Amino acid sequence: DAKTTQPTSMDCAEGRAANLPCNHSTISGNEYVYWYRQIHSQGPQYIIHGLKNNETNEMASLIITEDRKSSTLILPHATLRDTAVYYCIVRVVVGGKLIFGQGTELSVKP
Amino acid sequence: ETGVTQSPTHLIKTRGQQVTLRCSSQSGHNTVSWYQQALGQGPQFIFQYYREEENGRGNFPPRFSGLQFPNYSSELNVNALELDDSALYLCASSRRDSQETQYFGPGTRLLVL
Repeated sequence: DAKTTQPTSMDCAEGRAANLPCNHSTISGNEYVYWYRQIHSQGPQYIIHGLKNNETNEMASLIITEDRKSSTLILPHATLRDTAVYYCIVRVVVGGKLIFGQGTELSVKP
Repeated sequence: ETGVTQSPTHLIKTRGQQVTLRCSSQSGHNTVSWYQQALGQGPQFIFQYYREEENGRGNFPPRFSGLQFPNYSSELNVNALELDDSALYLCASSRRDSQETQYFGPGTRLLVL
């Protein structure tokens, strides 16, 4: 499984868009990009995943570069409840385990 | 809510004891994965069960073992507990298909004294 690199921490003003970057330069053609978040040592919460096309759901948007070596998770209107550690994970889907790094600690401030 | 439940929520054991943690999968899911999360770290993969067989294992010693039952629920057993086993234990269920997104339970917090 490919390794990912994320900033250790980021701040975002409430109501603004939060853009969380992730580098995965060694990603293989059959590996998906997954995003999870974890609030206060609760179980990680699935956010979104994609292979090569941009994806959007009710929580967030995922933008994957054309060469697939990096991606950005976008929370369009961050709220205080979005304060969490965000993990970017690259994995082969069938049977693939999730390899968590240190993640990005996002602080949304009033 | 993911529909994945874990029990107990908290547990205190002493070094050398054995512990069993339980996980109920989300309806329709047939695969369970277990993770250990030490304080301040990301979760680490322990093993995965599919069709009641172990289907992949991380870098954990044999004293970490598991079971999956016909209803797809699962147990994690840890023998000869060590102080470093203190952690949040997470299970995640998924359905073996082309996407196989894993959904996590709330975890069991284990403290070994």
